[in-house]
This record gives sequence, structure tokens and C-alpha cells, in this order.
Amino acid sequence: QLQLQETGPGLLKPSETLSLTCNVSGDSISSNNYYWGWIRQPPGKGLDWIGSLYYSGSPYYNPSLKSRLTISVDASKNQFSLKLSSVTAADTAVYYCAALAVRGFYFGNWGQGTLVTVSS
Amino acid sequence: IQVTQSPSSLSASVGDRVTITCRASHSISTYLNWYQQKPGKAPKILIYAASNLQSGVPSRFSGSGSGTDFTLTISSLQPEDFATYYCHQSYSTSQTFGQGTKVEIK
Repeated sequence: QLQLQETGPGLLKPSETLSLTCNVSGDSISSNNYYWGWIRQPPGKGLDWIGSLYYSGSPYYNPSLKSRLTISVDASKNQFSLKLSSVTAADTAVYYCAALAVRGFYFGNWGQGTLVTVSS
Repeated sequence: IQVTQSPSSLSASVGDRVTITCRASHSISTYLNWYQQKPGKAPKILIYAASNLQSGVPSRFSGSGSGTDFTLTISSLQPEDFATYYCHQSYSTSQTFGQGTKVEIK
């Protein structure tokens, strides 16, 4: 069964770069069955799509984050990552990685989520 | 493409029929999914491609719609269904979620 697990720092200072990794198990990240994506949820608020990519393709980014965002795949480690530069308090959120099924285009598998707090 | 959910919250009793709607700003065919989220947990897929019930999800959940208007229906609300529900459009390369509907106990 496909499982995803986010890892990364829980606390950042304003202007720093957020780096998160999603470790994938149960299937290859090079599988034809999934796109890989990041979603975040500020405390007490709704879900916000950050971006997605296919292992062999170009990433798609939320336009509001595009200038600060990089999403990439490391097939050798079976993981994908997110880098968000110049963070502010507005980037404080639970960050989820998830797998978007190619058949149906839905997020069928999610990590447990990791809280990232931006504070001086 | 924006997706607008309504209502933002509702109060209902066990056994009630509950309907949540999602409206897209442009046609998205049937690229519309529904998730359930409980406090402190990751969202869980309920319905994909507008009307397909995910394996393992109770049959009291159903979805309908195409184009711009979509509906999630819970035919008989159960205690474990009190949660927040989100729609999600995956038609566009820039995906979006609805604002969420919190279903509370009346």
C-alpha cells in the first residue's frame, strides 16, 4: 500500500527557505500511476493546493507561490521535495504531501502532515 | 478556476439527508473530487470524478454533477460523518480546493 511521510523543520524564521521532503513507500516514485503533490492548511483554515508534478515532467505551481517555489523529484531516494523561499508568518501551516491518482485525478493517498511555523 | 462551496457550515441531526454544493467558475467536466477531513487528520477521499465512490467509503455518500455544478449528498447522516468536507477541481493545471463545509451536530 502506498504510504507518504513528510519530513522537515518545524520552525523557521522570516525570510528563510522552507525545505520539506516526502518519502514514498509501497510504490516507485517513477510509477505511471501518480502525480506527486503538496497541499497546505493554515491553522483553522481550508486546504490550499501548492503544486504537483509527474516524475518525468515539469511541475505545476500555485500562481500565488510560483515565484518562491520549487518542487522536484529524487527518484534515487524515492522521494520528492518542496522548497519555498522568503517565508513569512503567512506560510505557517500544516504541509501535506499526497499522491494524485492518474486514473481519476484525485488525491487518494496523503501523508500525515507536518506543522511548519514561521516566527521570529 | 475557482470552486465555491456552499454552505460554509451546517447543523444537522443523525439520520438527516445532507447536501453540499460546489460551483466551478468554468466548466471542469467531471474533474471534481470530494474529501472528508476530521480534526488533526489528513483529508480522506470520498468521491472522485464527480460521482465515483472510493473503495471502502459507505454507500450513503454520493456525488453528482458535471460542467460547473456539483453536489455531495449524505443520505442518512451518521455520528462519524461530523467533519469538514472539501471539493477539489483537478481539471486545470492550477488545481483548487473549495473553502470547506463544516458539518456540525444539531
